[in-house]
Amino acid sequence: DGGITQSPKYLFRKEGQNVTLSCEQNLNHDAMYWYRQDPGQGLRLIYYSQIVNDFQKGDIAEGYSVSREKKESFPLTVTSAQKNPTAFYLCASSNGQGLTPLHFGNGTRLTVT
Amino acid sequence: AQSVTQLGSHVSVSEGALVLLRCNYSSSVPPYLFWYVQYPNQGLQLLLKYTSAATLVKGINGFEAEFKKSETSFHLTKPSAHMSDAAEYFCAVSDEDSNYQLIWGAGTKLIIKP
Repeated sequence: DGGITQSPKYLFRKEGQNVTLSCEQNLNHDAMYWYRQDPGQGLRLIYYSQIVNDFQKGDIAEGYSVSREKKESFPLTVTSAQKNPTAFYLCASSNGQGLTPLHFGNGTRLTVT
Repeated sequence: AQSVTQLGSHVSVSEGALVLLRCNYSSSVPPYLFWYVQYPNQGLQLLLKYTSAATLVKGINGFEAEFKKSETSFHLTKPSAHMSDAAEYFCAVSDEDSNYQLIWGAGTKLIIKP
């Protein structure tokens, strides 16, 4: 079955360390997205990519970085510059922008202490 | 600027009762509207979407939503709640002004009482 795989499901890091969250899709989708979810808030867009080797900042890109070297993969690095990195991170993909629905992975819960 | 307001961070209904989750949006151009559902510790999945066709949209799991332009609303309903409906529900809007990026509501957690 096609889908989006995020790994790991739970991730623990010490403050000051960079950490990379994995996102892989086999849906052959062009567009991929990273969202951050905090309790009581909606999803906030971190970065998105509509094509390989290109990506754009979302609303809260500071302290994060991404790469899109392959269509299937869109890893997110949470750097030590991110002031409050503990959150639930969701990766999504779609086969175009606009009206096409997003397909989501099951998320990675990052805890930084 | 576009925005989405979901009234009530938590809604509690009895099993078998009507489910009503409220969503109001602001958009200066024709919007596209979505409802997504999130089960605990999982990603989101699409329930239904409005894309300027019929104003009453039917989705999965017996849910439906009605687009009311005059009220700028897109409330989600289900006639009879099941225990399996317990989840968090998110309303989202996109339009040309947002370059079709989704703007999300804060979510409503639906609690089903036995």
